[in-house]
Amino acid sequence: DAMVIQNPRYQVTQFGKPVTLSCSQTLNHNVMYWYQQKSSQAPKLLFHYYDKDFNNEADTPDNFQSRRPNTSFCFLDIRSPGLGDAAMYLCATSRDLDLDEQFFGPGTRLTVL
Amino acid sequence: GDSVTQMEGPVTLSEEAFLTINCTYTATGYPSLFWYVQYPGEGLQLLLKATKADDKGSNKGFEATYRKETTSFHLEKGSVQVSDSAVYFCALAFYNTDKLIFGTGTRLQVFP
Repeated sequence: DAMVIQNPRYQVTQFGKPVTLSCSQTLNHNVMYWYQQKSSQAPKLLFHYYDKDFNNEADTPDNFQSRRPNTSFCFLDIRSPGLGDAAMYLCATSRDLDLDEQFFGPGTRLTVL
Repeated sequence: GDSVTQMEGPVTLSEEAFLTINCTYTATGYPSLFWYVQYPGEGLQLLLKATKADDKGSNKGFEATYRKETTSFHLEKGSVQVSDSAVYFCALAFYNTDKLIFGTGTRLQVFP
């Protein structure tokens, strides 16, 4: 089945220690998104890629970076995680922009010690 | 700014009960409206959507009608099943931004 895969499902890191979360897709979609969802809050868009074009949300902290080396993979890098970065991180894809349906992975839960 | 407000959960129902999950929005302009569902251990999935006022989205027995006059998009189902137990997210987006703005989600628990 075509799908969006996130690895790992659970990630524990230490305060200030860089961490990378991974997302891959077999849907061959042009757009990939990263959302942050803190406990009992709404998912919040951090950034997205349309093909190789990177689009950062205005309020996304500089501590968060992303890479998309090819169509299938997209990475979220947190350069110096703080306790406030503990959250569920959701990856999503869509075939195109203009309100195409977004397909979500199961998420990676990040714990910062 | 643009936002979505959902009723707090959990909503606890017996099987075959009628379901309503309230959703209202604040937006400048006329967004498209969505309901996403997240089953345990899975990613969010699009349940239904409506792109303009008075449109009704429907899927799997769920319905929601885009009400511009009340800025609402309430989710309803006539007879819930245990398998409907999940978290339901209301969201909006504008055609030219492609950015989904979510509510905080409402957990539905259905008991036999």
